[in-house]
Amino acid sequence: EPEVTQTPSHQVTQMGQEVILRCVPISNHLYFYWYRQILGQKVEFLVSFYNNEISEKSEIFDDQFSVERPDGSNFTLKIRSTKLEDSAMYFCASSAETSGGGTGELFFGEGSRLTVL
Amino acid sequence: AQSVTQLGSHVSVSEGALVLLRCNYSSSVPPYLFWYVQYPNQGLQLLLKYTTGATLVKGINGFEAEFKKSETSFHLTKPSAHMSDAAEYFCAVSTMNRDDKIIFGKGTRLHILP
Repeated sequence: EPEVTQTPSHQVTQMGQEVILRCVPISNHLYFYWYRQILGQKVEFLVSFYNNEISEKSEIFDDQFSVERPDGSNFTLKIRSTKLEDSAMYFCASSAETSGGGTGELFFGEGSRLTVL
Repeated sequence: AQSVTQLGSHVSVSEGALVLLRCNYSSSVPPYLFWYVQYPNQGLQLLLKYTTGATLVKGINGFEAEFKKSETSFHLTKPSAHMSDAAEYFCAVSTMNRDDKIIFGKGTRLHILP
């Protein structure tokens, strides 16, 4: 069964360092998302991406964050200069375009846990 | 804007008892509604979703949810809890707009008592 894969599963970094989280969405999907979940808190929307550009982003997704689909298969989230409060589980998701438009099921990866020291 | 409220951050039920996890939504347009489950140290798995049509939706692992527009609710139920149901459950809402995101509730952790 096709699935969304994320790497790394866990990354530990020093504050101020750049981090790139990688995702391989399901191959025929057109919409891509990043969410994050700070430990013990809700899953929060960061950004959605369609047709090689950002569709929508939340207030969390500031200038320190960027996304890219560099080669048609990977979908990356970059944090330029990490802060302690960026420690969280980051989930990538993808969805297919439904015939009537609208959001169908989002398929989530297993997450990348980022720990900023 | 859409939002989701889940009543109760923790719910405990005995094995074999009814599971009821409450979710109310707010949406200015007809919503799509979802329940996702997160087992410890795992990602998010779709349990069930409501888009259009039948308001009682059946999902995996014996769960079901009923969309009640008049009550703006989408409560999740299971007739008989199993130990393996212990997990975090998230209600989520989206709209019918293309490439719209889904918004999650804060989650309800379900504890199953032996």
